[in-house]
Amino acid sequence: KNEVEQSPQNLTAQEGEFITINCSYSVGISALHWLQQHPGGGIVSLFMLSSGKKKHGRLIATINIQEKHSSLHITASHPRDSAVYICAVPGSARQLTFGSGTQLTVLP
Amino acid sequence: DAGVTQSPTHLIKTRGQQVTLRCSPKSGHDTVSWYQQALGQGPQFIFQYYEEEERQRGNFPDRFSGHQFPNYSSELNVNALLLGDSALYLCASSPGQSWGYTFGSGTRLTVV
Repeated sequence: KNEVEQSPQNLTAQEGEFITINCSYSVGISALHWLQQHPGGGIVSLFMLSSGKKKHGRLIATINIQEKHSSLHITASHPRDSAVYICAVPGSARQLTFGSGTQLTVLP
Repeated sequence: DAGVTQSPTHLIKTRGQQVTLRCSPKSGHDTVSWYQQALGQGPQFIFQYYEEEERQRGNFPDRFSGHQFPNYSSELNVNALLLGDSALYLCASSPGQSWGYTFGSGTRLTVV
């Protein structure tokens, strides 16, 4: 079973700061997902990546397959970015194993 | 194009009762997975349905069962509810063998 660890568990930042959330996993994978969960529960898929880097607006996700590590960066953070950010990796039957999440709070 | 729809959004049940949660997948998606998310934790995989059959199951007791219908919609049933079953239940759909997932907003179940 793949073990997925995220850090930090909680992160408080001032508006405008550059934010990094880290994710490491124990078993090699073909792709990794970054997800966002707002209060109330709904999960939104941000990125699915298998190598290198992807960018969408102020969000950047990177992955190093050899080191089994991925990072999610938020540039020029804003209070509306406040949410739980979760990384997840697929198993052999495509079921996802999730990290425990990073609670991000961006203060105005 | 509607995404994944789950119903109900919230419900309260008494310990020992049975509950049924429903999920309609995104149009074009034929695979449905169910996850349980306890407060403050990441979601845990319950099971996955494809072609109306349970294809994979996580570490959940037999009290948790499911079904997939010919239109790909799915139900999650939980019998003999325990207080510990209180959680957010998430449904995710995906198309065929793709790695792309779409999540619903979840059903918040409270067992009292």
